[in-house]
Amino acid sequence: KQEVTQIPAALSVPEGENLVLNCSFTDSAIYNLQWFRQDPGKGLTSLLLIQSSQREQTSGRLNASLDKSSGRSTLYIAASQPGDSATYLCAVRPRGSNYKLTFGKGTLLTVNP
Amino acid sequence: GAGVSQSPSNKVTEKGKDVELRCDPISGHTALYWYRQSLGQGLEFLIYFQGNSAPDKSGLPSDRFSAERTGGSVSTLTIQRTQQEDSAVYLCASSLILGEQYFGPGTRLTVT
Repeated sequence: KQEVTQIPAALSVPEGENLVLNCSFTDSAIYNLQWFRQDPGKGLTSLLLIQSSQREQTSGRLNASLDKSSGRSTLYIAASQPGDSATYLCAVRPRGSNYKLTFGKGTLLTVNP
Repeated sequence: GAGVSQSPSNKVTEKGKDVELRCDPISGHTALYWYRQSLGQGLEFLIYFQGNSAPDKSGLPSDRFSAERTGGSVSTLTIQRTQQEDSAVYLCASSLILGEQYFGPGTRLTVT
């Protein structure tokens, strides 16, 4: 059974700092991996999607990497801003059931002004 | 274009009552998914639709839960005889086949 773990569970940083969020998964047979952002009381906003054949994806100040063989992904946020404060969720789409996503429990990020 | 919409945004109901939650997917998305997010828990998969059929209902927690999709578009998740443990945020997502999933804002269900 695929399990997704996100470390740390919570992170607090001063504005302007670069930071890394970690995601690990137990089964490397995945179709893709997706990073989401969730603001309090809101739904999920997709940030980046990495196909299993890719190593990384970039969007603005965000960069996500994927090492499928070791079952790890990182989300790098450059020059953090208070508006980046949210919960960040990692989800994998397993090849065995390649439609549903298996989510981690998220990292709660707080960027202090 | 318009994203995934869900209604109602909030629902408070008494234990034992039935509730219906609605999801309007992005136009043209053939795949539709329901997830549940409970306090302190991660998101758990409930059910997946491809067109109007549901090839995987394995995530539905009990037979009190059912879902349907009509016209390859709108979906309704029904919870009968609600219990307090059903309190959660119910999220709907849609996608093209094997594509990126786009989520709606969710319905927050509170069972008193």
